[in-house]
This record gives sequence, C-alpha cells and structure tokens, in this order.
Amino acid sequence: TQLLEQSPQFLSIQEGENLTVYCNSSSVFSSLQWYRQEPGEGPVLLVTVVTGGEVKKLKRLTFQFGDARKDSSLHITAAQPGDTGLYLCAGAASGTYKYIFGTGTRLKVLA
Amino acid sequence: DVKVTQSSRYLVKRTGEKVFLECVQDMDHENMFWYRQDPGLGLRLIYFSYDVKMKEKGDIPEGYSVSREKKERFSLILESASTNQTSMYLCANGPGQGAMTDTQYFGPGTRLTVL
Repeated sequence: TQLLEQSPQFLSIQEGENLTVYCNSSSVFSSLQWYRQEPGEGPVLLVTVVTGGEVKKLKRLTFQFGDARKDSSLHITAAQPGDTGLYLCAGAASGTYKYIFGTGTRLKVLA
Repeated sequence: DVKVTQSSRYLVKRTGEKVFLECVQDMDHENMFWYRQDPGLGLRLIYFSYDVKMKEKGDIPEGYSVSREKKERFSLILESASTNQTSMYLCANGPGQGAMTDTQYFGPGTRLTVL
C-alpha cells in the first residue's frame, strides 16, 4: 500500500515567518499535487509537479518534487494569515486514476 | 464557475439507517470520486467511477456502495450506518485525461454523524 506522510502535522507561526512542509513516501509516484483546504470547504489544487527535481513557484509558495519522485516539499516565504489552512499532498498511483492523499499539515498564521 | 454540489452539509443519522449522499457536477467530467476525511488520516478513497455505470473500489470500500446512473451524478450509499462511519465525506471529479496531471475538483463536503 502506498502511503504519504506529511510533517509537521500542526504548525502555528507568526506573520512574516518562513516555513516548510514535507511530504514523504517510500513509493514512487507519477506526479504529485498540493492542495489547500479551508474550513467548511473542499480542497483546492495549488500545483502539480511531474518531473523528478522539478521546482514550481506560485507567488510566495515554492514546491519541489524529489529527484526520485518519492517526496515533495512546500516552502512558504513571509507567511500571511491568508495562508492559514490544511495543506494536503496527493500522489498519483501509476497506471490508475487513483490518488493517494497525505495525512495533512494544519497551518495557522497569526497576525 | 465550476460547481460540485453535495446534497447536505450536515447530516445526523442513527445506527442501522440507510444513508444516501449525493454529488452532482456541472463540468461534464468523466471521473468521480468519494473520499472520507478523518483527522490525522488525510483523505481516503472509498470508491471511484470513470464512466457511467462503471465503478471501482478504493482503499476502504467496506460498508459502502455507489451508484452512477448519469454522468453528472455520483451517489454514495451506506447500507447500514455504523458509528465508525461518522466522518467528513468529500466528493470530487476530474476530467479523466490521465491521473498524472488531472485536477480534482472537490465539493464542500458532508459532515455525517451516526449516533
């Protein structure tokens, strides 16, 4: 069974600080996605990374896919209260329509 | 604006009741999914459908069944609700162009409590 472990599980930081969230597995994924979920809503896609070593930037968010396509990281620069939410990584299982979701990182940014 | 609608935001049922959760999408997407979300466990796939009347079991199908009679509608059925099925249920859909880059569009979720 493919599993995705995220760390940390909870993170509370002050506005303006930087942070990194990790998503790790012992399995190889075809691609990896990051979603953000706000209270009372479903997850919304932030980014998809496909190639090992790929780096994508979305304003203050930087996403990296590990060289071996087993892990990924999300780095937020100068966090803002609007970044508060649950961050989920999801890996595409090879040859199927199935996605394996990580355990989630709950981020709270204090003003 | 794309829309994924789930029939209820909150639902309270009794043990043993049959429960229907319905999801409707207006995006003409091939793939539809049902997940449950529990703290510390992330999202776990219950069932998915890649075409009308087609379905495949996900990772935790026990105690659940699904129905997809029309492309836009995917129903999750709890045949006999139990307390361990208390959870947040999320419906999602995707265009079916290939799992590698498909975006999944999620509904707002149904928080089900089984007493």
